[in-house]
Amino acid sequence: KQEVTQIPAALSVPEGENLVLNCSFTDSAIYNLQWFRQDPGKGLTSLLLIQSSQREQTSGRLNASLDKSSGRSTLYIAASQPGDSATYLCAVRAGANSKLTFGKGITLSVRP
Amino acid sequence: GAGVSQTPSNKVTEKGKYVELRCDPISGHTALYWYRQSLGQGPEFLIYFQGTGAADDSGLPNDRFFAVRPEGSVSTLKIQRTERGDSAVYLCASSLGLFQFFGPGTRLTVL
Repeated sequence: KQEVTQIPAALSVPEGENLVLNCSFTDSAIYNLQWFRQDPGKGLTSLLLIQSSQREQTSGRLNASLDKSSGRSTLYIAASQPGDSATYLCAVRAGANSKLTFGKGITLSVRP
Repeated sequence: GAGVSQTPSNKVTEKGKYVELRCDPISGHTALYWYRQSLGQGPEFLIYFQGTGAADDSGLPNDRFFAVRPEGSVSTLKIQRTERGDSAVYLCASSLGLFQFFGPGTRLTVL
């Protein structure tokens, strides 16, 4: 059974800092990995999706990497801003139409 | 509509009552997923529809939970004899390929 772990559960950083959020998964046979953002009381917004054949994806100040063999992904956020404060969730998918298996998320607070 | 919509946004009910939660997917999306998110947890899979049929219902916790998608578009998640432990945010997502697009969720509170 696939398990996704995100540690730590919460992180607080000063504005402007570059930071890395970690995600690990137990079964390396994944189809893709996705990072989501969730604001309090809201649904999920997809940030980046990495296919199993890819090593990284970039969007603006965000960069996600995938090391499938070691079961790890990182989300790098450059020059963090208070507006980046949210919960970041990592999720993996075993097949093209299969379910997403989520971690518990990392709640990020960026202090002005 | 432009995105996935879910109604109601909030539902408060009493223990033992029956509830229905509705999901309107993005038009044309053939795949539809239901997830449940408890406080401080990531979403947990409940059921997946491909068209009208449930392709994977392995996440439904027990037989009090049931979902339908009779015309391959709108889906309804039905919970019988609700329990306090059913309190959570119920999320719906639809997909046509790689990405799952999530709705805002229905917050269910069972008193």
